[in-house]
Amino acid sequence: NAGVTQTPKFRILKIGQSMTLQCAQDMNHNYMYWYRQDPGMGLKLIYYSVGAGITDKGEVPNGYNVSRSTTEDFPLRLELAAPSQTSVYFCASSPSRSGARTDTQYFGPGTRLTVL
Amino acid sequence: AQTVTQSQPEMSVQEAETVTLSCTYDTSESDYYLFWYKQPPSRQMILVIRQEAYKQQNATENRFSVNFQKAAKSFSLKISDSQLGDAAMYFCAYRNDKGTYKYIFGTGTRLKVLA
Repeated sequence: NAGVTQTPKFRILKIGQSMTLQCAQDMNHNYMYWYRQDPGMGLKLIYYSVGAGITDKGEVPNGYNVSRSTTEDFPLRLELAAPSQTSVYFCASSPSRSGARTDTQYFGPGTRLTVL
Repeated sequence: AQTVTQSQPEMSVQEAETVTLSCTYDTSESDYYLFWYKQPPSRQMILVIRQEAYKQQNATENRFSVNFQKAAKSFSLKISDSQLGDAAMYFCAYRNDKGTYKYIFGTGTRLKVLA
């Protein structure tokens, strides 16, 4: 059971380039999330998904796109990278609401992205 | 909209002592969950403790406990017998029990543990 995995761990982009951050979970969780964490700050929600084929915007969606074709995968796409997108990106998943002790978010290790 | 506020950007505690991290939140909902997450230098986010709003009893997990005051919308974390490994960023988070199921995070408190 690998939990939530993210690739790559580090990436440097030039302004205007595009890339996809990969996220996968093997816990059969319905809910998945993408956050960004700027230096010294908390997590801001970019996009989230409540199941395959269903996605919605979070707090800071501009400049990003997502898709959820399977339960396991939730990639985040940056189309035209800008310096303001320099951040650490976290993917997370959570099970359907149950009230059980496992009812929380499980985070991936993060991707550090620098746009120059 | 719901908000989460952590008013202490940084706290320090002597090893083996007790420290309390503060968190307040704003919501009009009655059913929700509150969480404390720990982020060590490795950046990995780790759940420390969770509290269901409908439970009056404060949650405890070994050396970690919370003081949940629903009327005051306050959710503080107490760390007893602090250890060097407790040094990290601590984030308070809120989640509705219905609706969009989104998590709202505070800006974090950096905890330093002094030997």
